[in-house]
Amino acid sequence: DTAVSQTPKYLVTQMGNDKSIKCEQNLGHDTMYWYKQDSKKFLKIMFSYNNKELIINETVPNRFSPKSPDKAHLNLHINSLELGDSAVYFCASSQFLEWTEETQYFGPGTRLLVL
Amino acid sequence: AQSVSQHNHHVILSEAASLELGCNYSYGGTVNLFWYVQYPGQHLQLLLKYFSGDPLVKGIKGFEAEFIKSKFSFNLRKPSVQWSDTAEYFCAVNAANNAGNMLTFGGGTRLMVKP
Repeated sequence: DTAVSQTPKYLVTQMGNDKSIKCEQNLGHDTMYWYKQDSKKFLKIMFSYNNKELIINETVPNRFSPKSPDKAHLNLHINSLELGDSAVYFCASSQFLEWTEETQYFGPGTRLLVL
Repeated sequence: AQSVSQHNHHVILSEAASLELGCNYSYGGTVNLFWYVQYPGQHLQLLLKYFSGDPLVKGIKGFEAEFIKSKFSFNLRKPSVQWSDTAEYFCAVNAANNAGNMLTFGGGTRLMVKP
């Protein structure tokens, strides 16, 4: 069974469009994350979220917004897509938002290409 | 802010050679340390982790890592690599003062093992 899943696997779109990436976890975790991996393979956190708190990496443009319909899902909405948004986006989950001794589990990634 | 450095960007080895990948981090307090592996076209998988206790930790597929607190290092080792170890390896740190339980990743090391 897939622990953290993402859809779509690939997304090709035009500049200026609005798109969403979906993430679901079946681990019963309370906290979910979005990470961005750029073309040079650098991985950076974008958001940490549970039902009480959203923590945003200060470098993330406000065109990006996480939406959580329930604790098993954290979708990523991107408005007015730009060429520089092309990357692989990884969702992850863990039990706690506060620091503790635990592991984050990653989804398979969504490869976004903006033309 | 915490940072993570991986000194080797690209490593090429022949099968059966020994491997050591360097990882240094900048935070002086309590940390969780991880090595993740990304096989070509696949998602991030956890290789091993250190939370506390024995600084020598063993992971999957024969990998191990040693936490040396005085050197702020968490180097990854494998005595004898295989062709199937060809992948990108990421060191990650989660510092205890970290709002949002966010992982900070190193830049990654691309390992190519020649058969």
